[in-house]
Amino acid sequence: DSGVTQTPKHLITATGQRVTLRCSPRSGDLSVYWYQQSLDQGLQFLIQYYNGEERAKGNILERFSAQQFPDLHSELNLSSLELGDSALYFCASSVENRPSYNSPLHFGNGTRLTVT
Amino acid sequence: AQSVTQLDSQVPVFEEAPVELRCNYSSSVSVYLFWYVQYPNQGLQLLLKYLSGSTLVESINGFEAEFNKSQTSFHLRKPSVHISDTAEYFCAVSETNRDDKIIFGKGTRLHILP
Repeated sequence: DSGVTQTPKHLITATGQRVTLRCSPRSGDLSVYWYQQSLDQGLQFLIQYYNGEERAKGNILERFSAQQFPDLHSELNLSSLELGDSALYFCASSVENRPSYNSPLHFGNGTRLTVT
Repeated sequence: AQSVTQLDSQVPVFEEAPVELRCNYSSSVSVYLFWYVQYPNQGLQLLLKYLSGSTLVESINGFEAEFNKSQTSFHLRKPSVHISDTAEYFCAVSETNRDDKIIFGKGTRLHILP
């Protein structure tokens, strides 16, 4: 158990809809990262927050947004959903704002999003 | 910008045989390198990492990886695989001068054949 909790585990929704994915980081971790995993693109970095502030941005679409709250949990909002957004969305956390500095990423089990 | 290439999307290997999962990276600066493992229906877990020092790093379950700067590679090896090693393995890189994000390869699925 990594200590990172993601809800829901599965989500099925229709095109054009909006969903919110939630992540609770491991106790003591200040950084939260969001990744999208799909068969054709592999694991793509979306965005990182550190102690409530946006820290780094990757291949995140404008239809997607995220935030980290004062209690350090994070939410990823996906809107105007398209079929191609179907994927496994992972949240990861680390102690520091630099994951490689003796502070590995701890991953949740992911939310599987299916857009029909 | 850094990038990671895992040449093999799937690698089948017989139980107790050796295996090598290949990883090459590109970066204009020095890097940190990682291997993460994803068991079925789970999130990724750190398997091993290279930050500095000895170019050969080992994990607790018998895997090892060697950093080769001249070939920009960080291949993962195990001399004898077990059925429990069935998983997807991700190589990842982070640039040392801006290590606020980690870039992952597309993953290699390791199939252990009985």
